[in-house]
Amino acid sequence: DVKVTQSSRYLVKRTGEKVFLECVQDMDHENMFWYRQDPGLGLRLIYFSYDVKMKEKGDIPEGYSVSREKKERFSLILESASTNQTSMYLCASSLPLLAESPTNEQYFGPGTRLTVT
Amino acid sequence: TQLLEQSPQFLSIQEGENLTVYCNSSSVFSSLQWYRQEPGEGPVLLVTVVTGGEVKKLKRLTFQFGDARKDSSLHITAAQPGDTGLYLCAGVDSGTYKYIFGTGTRLKVLA
Repeated sequence: DVKVTQSSRYLVKRTGEKVFLECVQDMDHENMFWYRQDPGLGLRLIYFSYDVKMKEKGDIPEGYSVSREKKERFSLILESASTNQTSMYLCASSLPLLAESPTNEQYFGPGTRLTVT
Repeated sequence: TQLLEQSPQFLSIQEGENLTVYCNSSSVFSSLQWYRQEPGEGPVLLVTVVTGGEVKKLKRLTFQFGDARKDSSLHITAAQPGDTGLYLCAGVDSGTYKYIFGTGTRLKVLA
């Protein structure tokens, strides 16, 4: 079974703090993703990585950065946390995404509920 | 950009009832995935449909991919409280190669 783990289930941070969210997958997947999920807004892609040290901005990268030094680990960094970054953060991994591939499944971690006060 | 519209957006039913959730697009997808997300957890993959007209069953859940591969449906027979959650369809946008998620259907099954 694919397993994606996230470092914390719940996190409370103060405005202005630097926050690190860690994600580890054990299936040797090339792709890793960070999403945030907010009521009424669905899943929004923050950043994704298709290989070690490679990253691409998603739909809402502002205020975030990422790091992928090893294939199995993808970190999301909030440089200076703000209250509007209070959200559920979800990490996912997958094989390379191909438009004609039948194997585009993503595998998610349990999520980190971050509260910034 | 391809969009995946799901309907209904919300559904509250009694235990034992049947229901169908729809996932529609104006574009063709090579495959579609269905996920269920329980409150406070990450989405869990339920199934992938690949071939136009394909039907897959997972216990009381029946998934169908439209003949033209532009839409999909999820039918639940005799819903149970454990089916409660957010159901998401998803697939690869063939124009941008981005993985996109549907708008979601939030299901609540009352005991």
